[in-house]
Amino acid sequence: EVQLLESGGGLVQPGGSLRLSCAASGFSFSTYAMNWVRQVPGKGLEWVSAISGNGVSTYYADSVKGRFLISRDNSKNTLYLQMNSLRAEDTAVYYCASSYVVFHYGLDVWGQGTTVTVSS
Amino acid sequence: EIVLTQSPDFQSVTPKEKVTITCRASQSIGSSLHWYQQKGDQSPKLLIKNASQSISGVPSRFTGSGSGTDFTLTINSLEAEDAATYYCHQSVGLPITFGQGTRLEIK
Repeated sequence: EVQLLESGGGLVQPGGSLRLSCAASGFSFSTYAMNWVRQVPGKGLEWVSAISGNGVSTYYADSVKGRFLISRDNSKNTLYLQMNSLRAEDTAVYYCASSYVVFHYGLDVWGQGTTVTVSS
Repeated sequence: EIVLTQSPDFQSVTPKEKVTITCRASQSIGSSLHWYQQKGDQSPKLLIKNASQSISGVPSRFTGSGSGTDFTLTINSLEAEDAATYYCHQSVGLPITFGQGTRLEIK
């Protein structure tokens, strides 16, 4: 079964850091691009970041550029999002999602999400 | 940035009705437009990819059409389980963007 399982969310103070993980199973992880998408409860979806299958190319939304770092370990079938200098507006449910490549394809598999709360 | 504008924002419909949700892009995106369904607190689910391509396991009552800047998601013969929020999504250029969502309520 194709599955993505996020972890690492939690409560963090403004200015703090958190690292999210997304464990993939059931498909050839290294051949797929991966994305992070977030959602404030009750609001819409916001794309955060994407990474190519080989990890060479990375992309970020302006709202997180310079603060977040996306990476992957294909030997462990795991995607990461290192989040630094966190702000209250980063509070959201964070989903990882796969796509065949970063551009021109849909997000075909989604994880269940992990909640990040930035608050003092 | 490519802005996607969905209409309507909310629709209340009865079972067996036909529903049409539109998504307009601020510039041409070819057919790189995808549709998702999100129920309650669940994660989104891909319904239609590349404007009109069906997804395995998705009921055939869900169809998509359009190209360029104007796209449509059609739900034929609506069922109670279709109550959800629907989003369009473009993956042509950065930043990748989503529409604001259309919430569908079943009467």
